[in-house]
Amino acid sequence: AQSVSQHNHHVILSEAASLELGCNYSYGGTVNLFWYVQYPGQHLQLLLKYFSGDPLVKGIKGFEAEFIKSKFSFNLRKPSVQWSDTAEYFCAVFRHTGGFKTIFGAGTRLFVKA
Amino acid sequence: DVKVTQSSRYLVKRTGEKVFLECVQDMDHENMFWYRQDPGLGLRLIYFSYDVKMKEKGDIPEGYSVSREKKERFSLILESASTNQTSMYLCASSGPQGQPQHFGDGTRLSIL
Repeated sequence: AQSVSQHNHHVILSEAASLELGCNYSYGGTVNLFWYVQYPGQHLQLLLKYFSGDPLVKGIKGFEAEFIKSKFSFNLRKPSVQWSDTAEYFCAVFRHTGGFKTIFGAGTRLFVKA
Repeated sequence: DVKVTQSSRYLVKRTGEKVFLECVQDMDHENMFWYRQDPGLGLRLIYFSYDVKMKEKGDIPEGYSVSREKKERFSLILESASTNQTSMYLCASSGPQGQPQHFGDGTRLSIL
């Protein structure tokens, strides 16, 4: 089945550690790619997006993601996490064919220890 | 900034009741969405609407219906609430298809 997979459901890091959250999707056509973040008690908000062009995209709060077309991946990275990055992160893929739907991954809960 | 407002943050209803969840957006977006969010399952699309009075089923439409009589308002209806519909419900809106979605704060619905 077509899907969006986030490899880690829970991640615990210490402050200043580097972060990489994996995201893979199984659609073969043109896609738009997103990472959303949900801080405790807040609504989901956009972290960054990729539509076309430079496969390395930068988002808010020092986050970046790299689109690797051959691997169907869109991994999220941050060189040095802060306690305030504690949140749930969702990868999402919009398919340009087959129904024009955005499919979300199951989410990764990140806890950053102070 | 886009504002998506859901009518209730918390709601408790009884099995068999008809439940209405309301969502309003203030950015004249043509697309609106209803999701349910469950731990370990991410967001699952219930219904979406791409225009007034237009709707499309998402991945889990069973037991739900929707109404979009005005462009800014999208309502989710649980025809006869059941305990397995206890969940967090998220409303979102977006401009043209494929653009980022803007989410409301969510409604945590408990069916007893």
